[in-house]
Amino acid sequence: EIVMTQSPATLSVSPGESATLSCRASQSVTINLAWYQQKPGQAPRLLIYGAATRATGIPARFSGSGSGTEFTLTISSLQSEDFAVYYCQQYKEWPLLSFGPGTKVDIK
Amino acid sequence: QVQLVESGGGVVQPGRSLRLSCAASGFTFSRYAMYWVRQAPGKGLEWVAVIPYDGSNEYYGDSVKGRFTISRDNSNNTLYLQMHSLRGEDTAVYYCARSHLALYFDSWGQGTLVTVSS
Repeated sequence: EIVMTQSPATLSVSPGESATLSCRASQSVTINLAWYQQKPGQAPRLLIYGAATRATGIPARFSGSGSGTEFTLTISSLQSEDFAVYYCQQYKEWPLLSFGPGTKVDIK
Repeated sequence: QVQLVESGGGVVQPGRSLRLSCAASGFTFSRYAMYWVRQAPGKGLEWVAVIPYDGSNEYYGDSVKGRFTISRDNSNNTLYLQMHSLRGEDTAVYYCARSHLALYFDSWGQGTLVTVSS
């Protein structure tokens, strides 16, 4: 089973600043990685797949990078609507998909 | 637009059963693998079960294997999750999710809360 970890657990950022979130896999997932955003009381929303491809309708301030075991989600110039929890998910080991524990981005 | 609407959640006693449904619309349901993903209160996401577009197979997470059954009715665009022998640790919001090529989740329902408690 591929175990996903995320850091930090919580990231405090001021509006307009950038945020860098990390995701690590216990073994290589090549680029089979997705990122999701979840706001309180809402379902998750797909942001990024294939480690770096933005999903339909996702603003350009969201960018993903990485391959193998190390991945990064960068949110440039944070807007008020970006404060949320972000999850990474590997799909290399289908059907044994796994999610990271999440990073909460809150207002500094 | 894509819509997934779950129903069937509620409060149930330990050991009892419950069936969740997910009504799909706005896309060709029979062309997509579908998942159930759950989220315990204040916790992260856990995939529960997946069924391919044609219902030819099913896969389950270790925590529900042997107790839950996923199924689909492509003629009625509906996904199901039959849950037996429910435990307290099954308490969660259950989401149905459309899967792109059975890999990642490109659309989610709003979720239905299942509470297992005596």
